[in-house]
Amino acid sequence: DGGITQSPKYLFRKEGQNVTLSCEQNLNHDAMYWYRQDPGQGLRLIYYSQIVNDFQKGDIAEGYSVSREKKESFPLTVTSAQKNPTAFYLCASKQSYGYTFGSGTRLTVV
Amino acid sequence: AQSVAQPEDQVNVAEGNPLTVKCTYSVSGNPYLFWYVQYPNRGLQFLLKYITGDNLVKGSYGFEAEFNKSQTSFHLKKPSALVSDSALYFCAVRGKYGNKLVFGAGTILRVKS
Repeated sequence: DGGITQSPKYLFRKEGQNVTLSCEQNLNHDAMYWYRQDPGQGLRLIYYSQIVNDFQKGDIAEGYSVSREKKESFPLTVTSAQKNPTAFYLCASKQSYGYTFGSGTRLTVV
Repeated sequence: AQSVAQPEDQVNVAEGNPLTVKCTYSVSGNPYLFWYVQYPNRGLQFLLKYITGDNLVKGSYGFEAEFNKSQTSFHLKKPSALVSDSALYFCAVRGKYGNKLVFGAGTILRVKS
Protein backbone atom coordinates (compact mmCIF):
# COMPACT_ATOMS: atom_id res chain seq x y z
CA ASP A 1 0.00 0.00 0.00
CA GLY A 2 1.19 3.53 -0.74
CA GLY A 3 1.70 5.90 2.10
CA ILE A 4 4.01 7.92 4.31
CA THR A 5 6.07 6.31 7.04
CA GLN A 6 7.40 8.38 9.93
CA SER A 7 9.85 6.97 12.43
CA PRO A 8 10.30 6.67 15.27
CA LYS A 9 6.82 7.06 16.75
CA TYR A 10 8.28 8.37 20.02
CA LEU A 11 11.64 10.09 20.48
CA PHE A 12 13.37 11.45 23.54
CA ARG A 13 16.09 14.08 23.31
CA LYS A 14 18.50 15.30 25.90
CA GLU A 15 19.32 18.98 26.20
CA GLY A 16 21.93 20.00 23.61
CA GLN A 17 21.43 16.98 21.34
CA ASN A 18 20.53 16.97 17.68
CA VAL A 19 17.96 14.39 16.63
CA THR A 20 16.70 13.36 13.20
CA LEU A 21 13.12 12.41 12.38
CA SER A 22 12.58 10.17 9.39
CA CYS A 23 9.90 10.60 6.72
CA GLU A 24 9.64 8.21 3.77
CA GLN A 25 6.92 8.05 1.09
CA ASN A 26 6.23 5.58 -1.71
CA LEU A 27 3.50 7.64 -3.35
CA ASN A 28 5.83 9.15 -5.96
CA HIS A 29 4.78 12.61 -4.77
CA ASP A 30 6.99 15.54 -5.68
CA ALA A 31 6.28 17.87 -2.74
CA MET A 32 6.91 17.07 0.92
CA TYR A 33 6.26 19.06 4.09
CA TRP A 34 7.11 19.10 7.79
CA TYR A 35 4.63 20.48 10.30
CA ARG A 36 4.87 20.96 14.04
CA GLN A 37 1.74 20.52 16.19
CA ASP A 38 1.34 22.09 19.62
CA PRO A 39 -1.88 21.98 21.66
CA GLY A 40 -4.25 24.79 20.70
CA GLN A 41 -2.03 26.08 17.90
CA GLY A 42 -2.88 23.84 15.01
CA LEU A 43 -0.15 22.81 12.61
CA ARG A 44 2.68 25.17 11.75
CA LEU A 45 4.89 24.72 8.71
CA ILE A 46 8.60 24.13 9.39
CA TYR A 47 10.08 23.33 5.95
CA TYR A 48 8.84 22.16 2.60
CA SER A 49 10.36 20.77 -0.57
CA GLN A 50 8.82 20.80 -4.02
CA ILE A 51 11.53 18.82 -5.82
CA VAL A 52 14.65 16.83 -5.04
CA ASN A 53 17.64 18.89 -3.88
CA ASP A 54 15.48 21.94 -3.19
CA PHE A 55 13.65 23.09 -0.05
CA GLN A 56 12.27 26.28 1.48
CA LYS A 57 11.77 27.57 4.99
CA GLY A 58 8.29 27.62 6.38
CA ASP A 59 6.95 29.81 9.15
CA ILE A 60 8.99 28.36 12.05
CA ALA A 61 12.25 27.06 10.51
CA GLU A 62 14.64 28.34 13.19
CA GLY A 63 16.39 25.49 14.97
CA TYR A 64 15.52 22.93 12.31
CA SER A 65 17.23 21.62 9.18
CA VAL A 66 16.20 19.32 6.33
CA SER A 67 17.58 17.58 3.27
CA ARG A 68 15.97 16.20 0.13
CA GLU A 69 18.52 13.97 -1.58
CA LYS A 70 15.92 11.47 -2.77
CA LYS A 71 12.33 11.92 -3.88
CA GLU A 72 11.14 9.39 -1.33
CA SER A 73 12.85 10.83 1.72
CA PHE A 74 12.63 14.15 3.60
CA PRO A 75 14.34 13.86 7.02
CA LEU A 76 14.04 16.62 9.62
CA THR A 77 16.82 17.39 12.08
CA VAL A 78 15.92 19.16 15.29
CA THR A 79 19.08 20.94 16.38
CA SER A 80 20.18 22.13 19.79
CA ALA A 81 19.30 25.65 18.65
CA GLN A 82 15.60 24.79 18.85
CA LYS A 83 14.79 25.93 22.38
CA ASN A 84 11.42 24.28 22.78
CA PRO A 85 11.38 21.15 20.64
CA THR A 86 8.82 19.12 22.59
CA ALA A 87 5.94 18.68 20.14
CA PHE A 88 4.21 16.33 17.72
CA TYR A 89 5.81 16.40 14.26
CA LEU A 90 3.90 15.52 11.12
CA CYS A 91 5.25 14.87 7.65
CA ALA A 92 3.08 15.21 4.55
CA SER A 93 3.39 14.83 0.80
CA LYS A 94 1.37 16.38 -2.01
CA GLN A 95 0.49 15.58 -5.58
CA SER A 96 -1.94 17.85 -7.40
CA TYR A 97 -4.62 18.81 -4.83
CA GLY A 98 -4.15 15.90 -2.45
CA TYR A 99 -2.13 15.97 0.76
CA THR A 100 -1.25 12.73 2.58
CA PHE A 101 0.00 12.76 6.17
CA GLY A 102 2.16 10.37 8.12
CA SER A 103 1.23 9.11 11.59
CA GLY A 104 3.61 11.49 13.33
CA THR A 105 6.57 11.48 15.72
CA ARG A 106 6.21 12.70 19.28
CA LEU A 107 9.44 14.33 20.43
CA THR A 108 10.05 14.96 24.11
CA VAL A 109 13.01 16.73 25.71
CA VAL A 110 14.22 14.99 28.87
CA ALA B 1 -1.18 36.15 3.86
CA GLN B 2 -3.36 33.12 4.27
CA SER B 3 -5.15 32.41 7.54
CA VAL B 4 -7.83 30.16 8.95
CA ALA B 5 -10.03 30.75 11.98
CA GLN B 6 -11.85 28.04 13.85
CA PRO B 7 -13.75 30.11 16.43
CA GLU B 8 -14.74 27.22 18.69
CA ASP B 9 -12.14 25.35 20.74
CA GLN B 10 -14.71 22.64 21.44
CA VAL B 11 -18.13 21.62 20.15
CA ASN B 12 -20.38 19.34 22.18
CA VAL B 13 -23.31 17.53 20.61
CA ALA B 14 -25.59 14.63 21.53
CA GLU B 15 -25.45 11.47 19.47
CA GLY B 16 -28.01 11.56 16.69
CA ASN B 17 -28.13 15.35 16.56
CA PRO B 18 -26.72 17.39 13.68
CA LEU B 19 -23.27 18.88 14.14
CA THR B 20 -21.50 21.93 12.72
CA VAL B 21 -17.84 22.83 13.09
CA LYS B 22 -17.13 26.36 11.92
CA CYS B 23 -14.29 27.63 9.73
CA THR B 24 -13.59 30.99 8.12
CA TYR B 25 -10.60 31.77 5.96
CA SER B 26 -8.60 34.55 4.37
CA VAL B 27 -6.61 34.07 1.17
CA SER B 28 -5.76 35.98 -1.98
CA GLY B 29 -7.68 34.76 -4.98
CA ASN B 30 -9.64 31.55 -5.15
CA PRO B 31 -9.22 29.25 -2.17
CA TYR B 32 -8.56 25.55 -1.98
CA LEU B 33 -10.19 24.39 1.27
CA PHE B 34 -9.76 21.18 3.24
CA TRP B 35 -11.08 19.44 6.33
CA TYR B 36 -9.02 16.86 8.23
CA VAL B 37 -9.73 14.78 11.32
CA GLN B 38 -7.17 13.64 13.89
CA TYR B 39 -7.50 10.94 16.53
CA PRO B 40 -5.15 10.94 19.56
CA ASN B 41 -1.47 10.46 18.66
CA ARG B 42 -2.30 9.84 15.02
CA GLY B 43 -1.74 11.66 11.76
CA LEU B 44 -4.37 13.65 9.91
CA GLN B 45 -7.06 11.87 7.92
CA PHE B 46 -8.56 13.63 4.91
CA LEU B 47 -12.32 14.26 5.07
CA LEU B 48 -13.11 16.48 2.11
CA LYS B 49 -11.93 19.35 -0.04
CA TYR B 50 -13.28 22.21 -2.11
CA ILE B 51 -11.37 23.15 -5.23
CA THR B 52 -14.03 24.44 -7.59
CA GLY B 53 -17.58 23.69 -8.67
CA ASP B 54 -20.54 22.87 -6.46
CA ASN B 55 -20.50 24.79 -3.18
CA LEU B 56 -21.72 21.75 -1.23
CA VAL B 57 -18.97 19.19 -0.91
CA LYS B 58 -19.59 15.66 0.33
CA GLY B 59 -16.81 13.72 1.98
CA SER B 60 -15.92 10.68 4.03
CA TYR B 61 -17.97 9.21 6.91
CA GLY B 62 -21.11 11.21 6.05
CA PHE B 63 -19.51 14.63 6.48
CA GLU B 64 -20.17 17.54 4.18
CA ALA B 65 -19.11 21.18 3.98
CA GLU B 66 -20.53 24.25 2.32
CA PHE B 67 -18.30 26.81 0.65
CA ASN B 68 -19.66 30.34 1.07
CA LYS B 69 -17.57 32.84 -0.83
CA SER B 70 -19.33 35.97 0.42
CA GLN B 71 -18.88 34.93 4.06
CA THR B 72 -15.46 33.34 3.42
CA SER B 73 -16.63 30.28 5.31
CA PHE B 74 -16.33 26.53 4.91
CA HIS B 75 -18.29 24.98 7.79
CA LEU B 76 -18.20 21.22 8.34
CA LYS B 77 -21.53 19.50 8.91
CA LYS B 78 -23.05 16.10 9.54
CA PRO B 79 -26.78 15.38 9.81
CA SER B 80 -26.52 12.83 12.62
CA ALA B 81 -23.49 12.66 14.92
CA LEU B 82 -21.93 9.43 16.16
CA VAL B 83 -19.91 8.92 19.33
CA SER B 84 -17.08 7.70 17.08
CA ASP B 85 -16.98 11.15 15.42
CA SER B 86 -15.37 12.51 18.60
CA ALA B 87 -11.96 13.79 17.54
CA LEU B 88 -9.95 16.92 16.68
CA TYR B 89 -10.96 18.60 13.43
CA PHE B 90 -8.79 20.92 11.36
CA CYS B 91 -9.76 23.29 8.58
CA ALA B 92 -7.01 24.29 6.13
CA VAL B 93 -6.65 26.65 3.17
CA ARG B 94 -4.27 27.09 0.29
CA GLY B 95 -4.27 29.75 -2.36
CA LYS B 96 -4.64 28.64 -5.97
CA TYR B 97 -1.02 29.47 -6.75
CA GLY B 98 0.35 28.92 -3.27
CA ASN B 99 2.61 26.21 -1.99
CA LYS B 100 1.65 26.23 1.64
CA LEU B 101 -1.33 24.63 3.35
CA VAL B 102 -2.29 26.80 6.34
CA PHE B 103 -4.23 25.24 9.22
CA GLY B 104 -6.65 26.53 11.80
CA ALA B 105 -6.05 25.87 15.48
CA GLY B 106 -8.44 22.93 15.49
CA THR B 107 -11.80 22.20 17.10
CA ILE B 108 -12.41 19.32 19.49
CA LEU B 109 -15.69 17.59 18.77
CA ARG B 110 -17.27 15.64 21.62
CA VAL B 111 -20.32 13.52 20.86
CA LYS B 112 -22.09 12.16 23.93
CA SER B 113 -24.42 9.18 23.97
